[in-house]
Amino acid sequence: NAGVTQTPKFQVLKTGQSMTLQCAQDMNHEYMSWYRQDPGMGLRLIHYSVGAGITDQGEVPNGYNVSRSTTEDFPLRLLSAAPSQTSVYFCASSYPINEAFFGQGTRLTVV
Amino acid sequence: DAKTTQPNSMESNEEEPVHLPCNHSTISGTDYIHWYRQLPSQGPEYVIHGLTSNVNNRMASLAIAEDRKSSTLILHRATLRDAAVYYCILSPGNTNAGKSTFGDGTTLTVKP
Repeated sequence: NAGVTQTPKFQVLKTGQSMTLQCAQDMNHEYMSWYRQDPGMGLRLIHYSVGAGITDQGEVPNGYNVSRSTTEDFPLRLLSAAPSQTSVYFCASSYPINEAFFGQGTRLTVV
Repeated sequence: DAKTTQPNSMESNEEEPVHLPCNHSTISGTDYIHWYRQLPSQGPEYVIHGLTSNVNNRMASLAIAEDRKSSTLILHRATLRDAAVYYCILSPGNTNAGKSTFGDGTTLTVKP
């Protein structure tokens, strides 16, 4: 039982490049979310999903796309990376209302 | 969306109880109160959650005010490993569930 797995752990991008951050969970959780955490700050919700085929925007969705084709996977796509997207990205999954499990994070630097 | 307010930082001595407050005056009737903590360079870790009644688990206790506009996370005997950022969040219990938002949290320092 691996829990929530995020890949890669570290990534450096050039401005304008695109990439996909992967998130997979093996707990059959309905809910999955993506957060970003800037240095010294709390987590801000980017996008979330309450089930396969259902996604919605959080607080800071601009510049990011998501899709949820399976229960297990919830990838986050950066369309055209900008330095303002330098951050640590966390993926989380849970059953409704219950405790959320977080991945170890992806540390992204955009130069 | 309902927001929470927490003190930026708190200090405690090792092996003493710690009471971490959280205000959520705009909480709705279907919002659950969750607490998470985050150790340096790690993802957040679940601590406890509740709706109306006080809750206890092996990690902590959660005391919820009768009007639900505030709550307190209680660590009964702080250890050095409890030093972390503690987040109080509101998790909708209705069809908007999954849209949980974090504030900046309380940084807890535990002194030996």
